[in-house]
Amino acid sequence: KQEVTQIPAALSVPEGENLVLNCSFTDSAIYNLQWFRQDPGKGLTSLLLIQSSQREQTSGRLNASLDKSSGRSTLYIAASQPGDSATYLCAVTPGGSYIPTFGRGTSLIVHP
Amino acid sequence: DAGVIQSPRHEVTEMGQEVTLRCKPISGHNSLFWYRQTMMRGLELLIYFNNNVPIDDSGMPEDRFSAKMPNASFSTLKIQPSEPRDSAVYFCASSLTSRETQYFGPGTRLLVL
Repeated sequence: KQEVTQIPAALSVPEGENLVLNCSFTDSAIYNLQWFRQDPGKGLTSLLLIQSSQREQTSGRLNASLDKSSGRSTLYIAASQPGDSATYLCAVTPGGSYIPTFGRGTSLIVHP
Repeated sequence: DAGVIQSPRHEVTEMGQEVTLRCKPISGHNSLFWYRQTMMRGLELLIYFNNNVPIDDSGMPEDRFSAKMPNASFSTLKIQPSEPRDSAVYFCASSLTSRETQYFGPGTRLLVL
């Protein structure tokens, strides 16, 4: 059974810092990996989707990388802003399935 | 498109009552997912529909839970009878196909007293 772990569980940084969120998974036979953002009291918003054949995806200040062999993905946020404050979740879809497994998320606070 | 629409946004009910949650997926999406989110267990998949057909309901906790998708634009999740441990946020998500980006609704916050 796929297990997805996100470290750290919470992170507080000053505005302007570059930061890295980590996601690890136990089964490397994946179809894709997604990073989501969840604001308090809201649903999840997809940020980036990486297919198993890809190594990274970029969108604006966000860059997500995937290393299947080590079972890791990182989400890099450049020049963090207070508006980036949210919970970030990663979700892994196994190769033989269509059902993603979600991590518990990293709660990020960017203070001015 | 308005995105995934869920109703009600909030529901407070008493133990033993029937609860019905509703979802309208994004037009043209053929996959629909129901999730439950709690502090204790995080985000859990309850059931997955593809082309209106339930494909995997292994996440449905017990017989008190049922889900239907009578057409491509509407799905319901019903809890009967409800219990306090069902209190959670229930999300509906849809995607163009089963493995593509999922778009989540705003969720229904359910409190069972």
